[in-house]
Amino acid sequence: GAVVSQHPSRVICKSGTSVKIECRSLDFQATTMFWYRQFPKQSLMLMATSNEGSKATYEQGVEKDKFLINHASLTLSTLTVTSAHPEDSSFYICSARNMGTSYEQYFGPGTRLTVT
Amino acid sequence: QKEVEQNSGPLSVPEGAIASLNCTYSDRGSQSFFWYRQYSGKSPELIMFIYSNGDKEDGRFTAQLNKASQYVSLLIRDSQPSDSATYLCAVNIRSGGSYIPTFGRGTSLIVHP
Repeated sequence: GAVVSQHPSRVICKSGTSVKIECRSLDFQATTMFWYRQFPKQSLMLMATSNEGSKATYEQGVEKDKFLINHASLTLSTLTVTSAHPEDSSFYICSARNMGTSYEQYFGPGTRLTVT
Repeated sequence: QKEVEQNSGPLSVPEGAIASLNCTYSDRGSQSFFWYRQYSGKSPELIMFIYSNGDKEDGRFTAQLNKASQYVSLLIRDSQPSDSATYLCAVNIRSGGSYIPTFGRGTSLIVHP
């Protein structure tokens, strides 16, 4: 149980284009999902908290107009990187918090984004 | 002061030994604590969570929590080379009426044969 999927696992795009990443909780309902970014050999950086049916809460320094988050259902959240630039190249990881338990979160496998 | 602190390591232990990983946190109101393992190039994987003071055992892993001293630790018994990874401590920290997961920078563990 507690499986989270992410799609795509790897994407290469040209500078200026937009990329959408999907995060799904497969066997549980998640009122809250989190989006992280991780650069090589660095720690996880929380970008935003996504709550089903409401606006996402962004961490300081994260541009909400650049990283669009939608959490339309209890099992799906999406992150769209708009007008991507090479500096946006990173490992993007989502996680989902199981609303039926006590706050542990489960991570998706991550999406490696490369912007050329 | 960082909210969740871990020694970055690397911590190197021989195969079969006990690996001890430590984490301290700043928010006294925190109620839930987690250990994740992250292999290079992969996403974190939940190993254990603990909410009450004392020890919690699961197979070769034991999590220890001391809320008075604000530390949580992870012991790995009979360490194996496959345990070599970065171990992330996470604490749910109060923020604006909700609890936000806050991660330490992680401790790199190397188990050598």
